[in-house]
Amino acid sequence: DVKVTQSSRYLVKRTGEKVFLECVQDMDHENMFWYRQDPGLGLRLIYFSYDVKMKEKGDIPEGYSVSREKKERFSLILESASTNQTSMYLCASSFSKGGLTRSGAPLHFGNGTRLTVT
Amino acid sequence: GEDVEQSLFLSVREGDSSVINCTYTDSSSTYLYWYKQEPGAGLQLLTYIFSNMDMKQDQRLTVLLNKKDKHLSLRIADTQTGDSAIYFCAAPKGSARQLTFGSGTQLTVLP
Repeated sequence: DVKVTQSSRYLVKRTGEKVFLECVQDMDHENMFWYRQDPGLGLRLIYFSYDVKMKEKGDIPEGYSVSREKKERFSLILESASTNQTSMYLCASSFSKGGLTRSGAPLHFGNGTRLTVT
Repeated sequence: GEDVEQSLFLSVREGDSSVINCTYTDSSSTYLYWYKQEPGAGLQLLTYIFSNMDMKQDQRLTVLLNKKDKHLSLRIADTQTGDSAIYFCAAPKGSARQLTFGSGTQLTVLP
């Protein structure tokens, strides 16, 4: 079974702190994603990466950055945390066979990190 | 861009059928997905349907696709309390490496 592991289930940080959320997958997947989940808004894509050192902005990248130095690890960075970044953060990964839709490859999700910024 | 919409809440009695509906905008979508999220957990893939199909059945789950109306539905037969969860519809977007998710439908199963 694919395993996507997020380093923390719950995190409490102060406004202005630099925050690192870590995600590791064990299936040699090319694609990795960071979403945030808020009630009534569903999942919104922050950043994704389809290869080591590659990154692309999603729908809401402002206030975030990412790092993918190794294939299995994708980090989300909040440079200066703010209260409006309090949310559930979900990491996901998938493999590619000529693109997600053509292969039908599903996204595999971690259990999420609930971040509270006070 | 892709837009996926679904209603926020659904309540059913245990043993009844549940039908969760979803509409999407991108007519080029080739795969459409249903994910389930239980409390405190991430999303797990429940089922998917390829766009050249009208229906897919998997045990208690039936997915119906109306391409003309861009309407997708998930039917759960004999709904059980363990089916209480949030259900997300998802469709590929743009370069197809991404998925766009609906807002999720909270299914509550009443005894």
